Amino acid sequence: EVQLVESGGGLIQPGGSLRLSCAVSGFTVSSIYMSWVRQAPGKGLEWVSVIYSGGSRYHADSVKGRFTISRDSSENTLYLQMNSLRAEDTAVYYCATFRCGSCPFDYWGRGTLVTVSS
Amino acid sequence: EIVLTQSTGTLFLSPGERATLSCRASQSVSSSFLAWYQQKPGQAPRLLIYGASSRATGIPDRFSGSGSGTDFILTISRLEPEDSAVYYCQQYGNFWTFGQGTKVEIK
Repeated sequence: EVQLVESGGGLIQPGGSLRLSCAVSGFTVSSIYMSWVRQAPGKGLEWVSVIYSGGSRYHADSVKGRFTISRDSSENTLYLQMNSLRAEDTAVYYCATFRCGSCPFDYWGRGTLVTVSS
Repeated sequence: EIVLTQSTGTLFLSPGERATLSCRASQSVSSSFLAWYQQKPGQAPRLLIYGASSRATGIPDRFSGSGSGTDFILTISRLEPEDSAVYYCQQYGNFWTFGQGTKVEIK
């Protein structure tokens, strides 16, 4: 059974850093495509970052240069390193998987809340 | 970036009725790489429809999708109380973007 469990969220001051984790079970993190998607309180969904099975990585313009997606095959975990955090980064962050480069997101975690506030 | 615009606001409907939700893209969505998701409060989104019209595994046939190019429709026939949720369209042919969501309330 595929399971994704996010952790690492919390309250952080503007300008601070946080690393989110997504523990994966049911498949190998390096064999599939994975993404981070966020949802600000009461708002819609926004794609944040992606890492392809081959290792290519892309980030949305809103986080480019501040966020970095990565994975650790030995831990079977996906990460999102978030630096220079801003109030507008406040959101629930979900990790999600998709089976191919042009496939929808088929499995999602339950999300972890990041609150950026002084 | 492809911008997706969904039918605005909230649909208030009764059990047994039909819901029709629209999603319009700012440019053509390649190969109908258009999906629909259902999200209930406090839960992650759930994939309903992909490829504009294919149902995901385990999704009842009350849910159907149609459309191509820039105009897409999600239809929920025979609404049930558990269909109360926010529904999002997503294009996945050019990175990923989502519509702003349409809320369906079953009264």
